[in-house]
Amino acid sequence: DGGITQSPKYLFRKEGQNVTLSCEQNLNHDAMYWYRQDPGQGLRLIYYSQIVNDFQKGDIAEGYSVSREKKESFPLTVTSAQKNPTAFYLCASSIGQITDTQYFGPGTRLTVL
Amino acid sequence: EDQVTQSPEALRLQEGESSSLNCSYTVSGLRGLFWYRQDPGKGPEFLFTLYSAGEEKEKERLKATLTKKESFLHITAPKPEDSATYLCAVQPIKAAGNKLTFGGGTRVLVKP
Repeated sequence: DGGITQSPKYLFRKEGQNVTLSCEQNLNHDAMYWYRQDPGQGLRLIYYSQIVNDFQKGDIAEGYSVSREKKESFPLTVTSAQKNPTAFYLCASSIGQITDTQYFGPGTRLTVL
Repeated sequence: EDQVTQSPEALRLQEGESSSLNCSYTVSGLRGLFWYRQDPGKGPEFLFTLYSAGEEKEKERLKATLTKKESFLHITAPKPEDSATYLCAVQPIKAAGNKLTFGGGTRVLVKP
């Protein structure tokens, strides 16, 4: 079954801690993305990667970091520098061509205690 | 600046009561407009891509249309299982990394 998996589904973090959210895809997609969703707001792009070992900042990259060491994996680290990290985090992937469709994973809900 | 505005924010329908959702956009040039469906606590599910004004696409009870300034998602004779949040996103021609700009969504509740 091809798709995108995210883990964990729920994550709780204490203030001052870094946490890493996992995103894996077996669709053989070149491009991967991380979005943040807050209630009543549209999805906002955090980071994206169009190819292995390369990634770019999105609109709200401050307080976040990523890596892309493998084509199928794009983990997101929420650092202690992110002042308001409580949100629903969504990973997406696409073939990587112009105007291709982004497909989303099931999401991780992060709550800061 | 690229902007997407969806209206209404919420919509309550009786089963069988057809309606339309609006997605107004401002972009310097449109590469594509995307519609997604999102159930509570889940990731968005892709519905349609529209590329040029006048284009229409259909899937079961849903039909999406596109003009130069807005897109509509028509829900014909909805059923309770159509209850979800519907998201609209645009991809500007100048979008770096195929970035999408999303609207805030329309929450649809269909009552039996």
